[in-house]
Amino acid sequence: GQQVQQSPTSLVLQEGENAELQCNFSTSLNSMQWFYQRPGGSLVSVFYNPSGTKQSGRLTSTTVIKERRSSLHISSSQITDSGTYLCAMERRSGYNKLTFGKGTVLLVSP
Amino acid sequence: DPKIIQKPKYLVAVTGSEKILICEQYLGHNAMYWYRQSAKKPLEFMFSYSYQKLMDNQTASSRFQPQSSKKNHLDLQITALKPDDSATYFCASSQDWGGASTGQLYFGEGSKLTVL
Repeated sequence: GQQVQQSPTSLVLQEGENAELQCNFSTSLNSMQWFYQRPGGSLVSVFYNPSGTKQSGRLTSTTVIKERRSSLHISSSQITDSGTYLCAMERRSGYNKLTFGKGTVLLVSP
Repeated sequence: DPKIIQKPKYLVAVTGSEKILICEQYLGHNAMYWYRQSAKKPLEFMFSYSYQKLMDNQTASSRFQPQSSKKNHLDLQITALKPDDSATYFCASSQDWGGASTGQLYFGEGSKLTVL
């Protein structure tokens, strides 16, 4: 079975609304990461090895490794936030051998 | 300017043929990787290299052969192509490998391979 489960699979928002993306892990992990994948493909790291609550602009990550879960909160969504959000786990930190989820596709409309 | 350059961006191949995917990074990183994303599967780890040495291989098939001619190059040769090899192949890099200074992954734009 899948080791990294993301929900929802897709989400449609109106500009200005907030979003909550979930990531759950079925096996023990040492660390996790959030990525944003642009329409068209390239990936950008959003949060690297977060633990507890971390904020970067309008994005907030809340991660509890022992409970095998992480969430990504996007506040005041913008059209440019549209794309796919991927979470990934590492069984051992420092090797960048990531196991990814299938992602949440976010569409923000005007 | 992109710091990780992958070529070509798109390629079409026939079953049984061979292709090479090119990757160069200009971030001064010591570790490079290949990941693959297909329509059926999530993004998955293939290989990791550190200082031009293979450190980890998660690819069962020997048809996939990474090649590193310089520290900032990691090409991927795929032989005897099959339709199931159709995917976007992402090259990535990080500062180091295997320790506290590894750092986050930086990804290239990907090479989308279609095998007919």
